[in-house]
Amino acid sequence: QKEVEQDPGPLSVPEGAIVSLNCTYSNSAFQYFMWYRQYSRKGPELLMYTYSSGNKEDGRFTAQVDKSSKYISLFIRDSQPSDSATYLCAMSEGGGFKTIFGAGTRLFVKA
Amino acid sequence: ETGVTQSPTHLIKTRGQQVTLRCSSQSGHNTVSWYQQALGQGPQFIFQYYREEENGRGNFPPRFSGLQFPNYSSELNVNALELDDSALYLCASSLDRALLDEQYFGPGTRLTVT
Repeated sequence: QKEVEQDPGPLSVPEGAIVSLNCTYSNSAFQYFMWYRQYSRKGPELLMYTYSSGNKEDGRFTAQVDKSSKYISLFIRDSQPSDSATYLCAMSEGGGFKTIFGAGTRLFVKA
Repeated sequence: ETGVTQSPTHLIKTRGQQVTLRCSSQSGHNTVSWYQQALGQGPQFIFQYYREEENGRGNFPPRFSGLQFPNYSSELNVNALELDDSALYLCASSLDRALLDEQYFGPGTRLTVT
């Protein structure tokens, strides 16, 4: 079993839709949870960063962490064609420990 | 742009050869991490360097080695290349090893082993 599981998609939605992206994990020691966006032929770009459980909102993006269920989510409101990319969840125990990434979900937002 | 650069952009090598990939971090960033990203997969942690010392390592064999220099540049060396080493190699720099929310990735080097 992988430490972090993420549905690879692809996920195709119309412009303006609400997108829900999810990851599950098995390591209860994870405390730091990140979402990265990766465009084709580019390196990952940090979107959201959350410590422990709870919600965090930044513009059209909301990250949720449920440590009791070992489940994290990223919601994108009013999705745009420019949001079309691969979204990677990532987690770490912190304190300089390695970051573990999910496989990434490919998202296509159709105009 | 993140201010992190990598060279070369693409590289083709033959099985058994050795390769050196280079990364230039943002000025002042004393931590660099290297990742391997196979096609359709997320990045896998290879190792991290903090102030020129290895600070942690993932499940990669010793033929993967690295160096970090005082001028914020670093190298990833891979010996005895195997076909499965074909991947995108990413470096990420941060101001400090604990500042995970400030980890900036370079565009990567795509390595093809034939």
